[in-house]
Amino acid sequence: SAVISQKPSRDICQRGTSLTIQCQVDSQVTMMFWYRQQPGQSLTLIATANQGSEATYESGFVIDKFPISRPNLTFSTLTVSNMSPEDSSIYLCSVGRLAGTSTDTQYFGPGTRLTVL
Amino acid sequence: EDKVVQSPLSLVVHEGDTVTLNCSYEVTNFRSLLWYKQEKKAPTFLFMLTSSGIEKKSGRLSSILDKKELFSILNITATQTGDSAIYLCAVVRGTDKLIFGTGTRLQVFP
Repeated sequence: SAVISQKPSRDICQRGTSLTIQCQVDSQVTMMFWYRQQPGQSLTLIATANQGSEATYESGFVIDKFPISRPNLTFSTLTVSNMSPEDSSIYLCSVGRLAGTSTDTQYFGPGTRLTVL
Repeated sequence: EDKVVQSPLSLVVHEGDTVTLNCSYEVTNFRSLLWYKQEKKAPTFLFMLTSSGIEKKSGRLSSILDKKELFSILNITATQTGDSAIYLCAVVRGTDKLIFGTGTRLQVFP
């Protein structure tokens, strides 16, 4: 599996501000995804980060709120914009289609715990 | 609407017990089913199942898929306190999209 890092690991932010979360992989991957896990809930896919083009968002998530960049095959960022307390969650990036692994398996980064006051 | 349902939601056992976690699904364009263990923030991969009736094993953990009845089970034998975690089931649909179940919180007491 790939080594995936996320920064920051946690943050406490004020309402109305924005936070950018970084996801770095130690090898090139075809697929990168961003998930949200609200307190006591399971994981929900926010979007697929596409290299060189706009991200593909799931129903209920919009680019203005969660802009995503993916400048190359090893790096992506997710920004949580104009935050409110309802954005308090764990944000996770995942990667798939690693060379030498099964196509469908996704591996997760360590996550970013965001608290919005 | 696609859905993945896990049961039980929560389970409390003593060390040495055997547990069975269930995952049922109704998903269009099913490709495979994945099991993860989540202890803190990051889910760690356990198994991927694509074919019915073929058991996957890793130490005390095993899992099997029934594509006719649309469910999977995860068995943990001789549980240890280190098995305490949330176990997540996810179905891969279409173009790599994962749909997660609600999770089962397992607590193992000495």
